[in-house]
Amino acid sequence: QVQLQQWGAGLLKPSETLSLTCAVYGGSFSGYYWSWIRQPPGKGLEWIGEINHSGSTNYNPSLKSRVTISVDTSKNQFSLKLSSVTAADTAVYYCARVQVTMVRGARGRYGMDVWGQGTTVTVSS
Amino acid sequence: DIQLTQSPSFLSASVGDRVTITCRASQGISSYLAWYQQKPGKAPKLLIYAASTLQSGVPSRFSGSGSGTEFTLTISSLQPEDFATYYCQQLNSYPRTFGPGTKVDIK
Repeated sequence: QVQLQQWGAGLLKPSETLSLTCAVYGGSFSGYYWSWIRQPPGKGLEWIGEINHSGSTNYNPSLKSRVTISVDTSKNQFSLKLSSVTAADTAVYYCARVQVTMVRGARGRYGMDVWGQGTTVTVSS
Repeated sequence: DIQLTQSPSFLSASVGDRVTITCRASQGISSYLAWYQQKPGKAPKLLIYAASTLQSGVPSRFSGSGSGTEFTLTISSLQPEDFATYYCQQLNSYPRTFGPGTKVDIK
């Protein structure tokens, strides 16, 4: 059974760089996309971006100038860096696997089926 | 960006009730819609993908339907463990977007 375990600094000062890592255990790393999602306190979910095992990325344009997602296939890990953080970046950050499957004859990415436990990141001076 | 709206935003229901949540997309997304359940302090859980396919291990009282711009999540008989917030998400185009959520509370 695939599990995602994530870690990283939980308290940052404004202008610092957020850095989180997510490790994949118990399953294949290749053949999937791997995502980061965040949730500000009391609010909804925001998609940050994703990467596949080859390093191909897609980012949310609202964060693109500050976001880097990278992959280390030797360790089955992927990472998120978000630069120049402000209080608006305070949130729970989740990593997740994007499942790739066949539906009605069409192979595609249809949902995020495995999630990390979440990391609370607070930005405060 | 594709905007997703959900209705209602809040729902008060009793155990055994049939519950329906609607998700509307600002443009057509074919069947690239997923539904998630989130309980306080927990990560979201995938319930339905491709608009109507039940994720493995999810009880059959959950069902999804729709295509294009209008989708529904139905819980046929609400159970105590179903009180949670439900989100839809589109995976048709980038950036991926989520609906604002529907909180299902105990009446």
